[in-house]
Amino acid sequence: EAGVVQSPRYKIIEKKQPVAFWCNPISGHNTLYWYRQNLGQGPELLIRYENEEAVDDSQLPKDRFSAERLKGVDSTLKIQPAELGDSAVYLCASSLDWQGRRFANEKLFFGSGTQLSVL
Amino acid sequence: GEDVEQSLFLSVREGDSSVINCTYTDSSSTYLYWYKQEPGAGLQLLTYIFSNMDMKQDQRLTVLLNKKDKHLSLRIADTQTGDSAIYFCAFKMGSSYKLIFGSGTRLLVRP
Repeated sequence: EAGVVQSPRYKIIEKKQPVAFWCNPISGHNTLYWYRQNLGQGPELLIRYENEEAVDDSQLPKDRFSAERLKGVDSTLKIQPAELGDSAVYLCASSLDWQGRRFANEKLFFGSGTQLSVL
Repeated sequence: GEDVEQSLFLSVREGDSSVINCTYTDSSSTYLYWYKQEPGAGLQLLTYIFSNMDMKQDQRLTVLLNKKDKHLSLRIADTQTGDSAIYFCAFKMGSSYKLIFGSGTRLLVRP
């Protein structure tokens, strides 16, 4: 079974340019997360989707970041314009909620991430 | 606020045991997790423990939880070179879905 697939694997851009990341979650997983991992740090949540609905985007810097999951499957995360401080690894994760055990022991499956370098 | 601390680096000899430690500040943590991240890869869930447990064993992995001291540890028995990676502890608070990660411990296994 395929895991969480992300592309591109690496992206190098100049500051002020736009950039987009793509994620295909595990088939059947209704919940999708975007995390950002700065160098030497653990991942930090940016946004959580349940199906096509963004249920928590409180950590997403909305002035320059946007995300969508139009059909409740694939998702894209966009930065426009990118800044030097956006250099990080952007991780996508997915999970399958169980009714009645919501969040109780949700197992997240992570993709390999997109490493963004802003010059 | 939420805070999770881990030591930065651990080096062990192949065949020895490794112990990776984590301390946290939030006493309402319900589930506590250990994730492994190999170079260029995403995070892989290794094991987890519920806050009403104090120990969990899973093959070569042993998780110990000391709720009084808010201390979590991961012991890897018979450490192999393939265990070289960054290990993250993480926890969830109450019924929240939000995972709070530590900054990771880099484990180096010497032949």
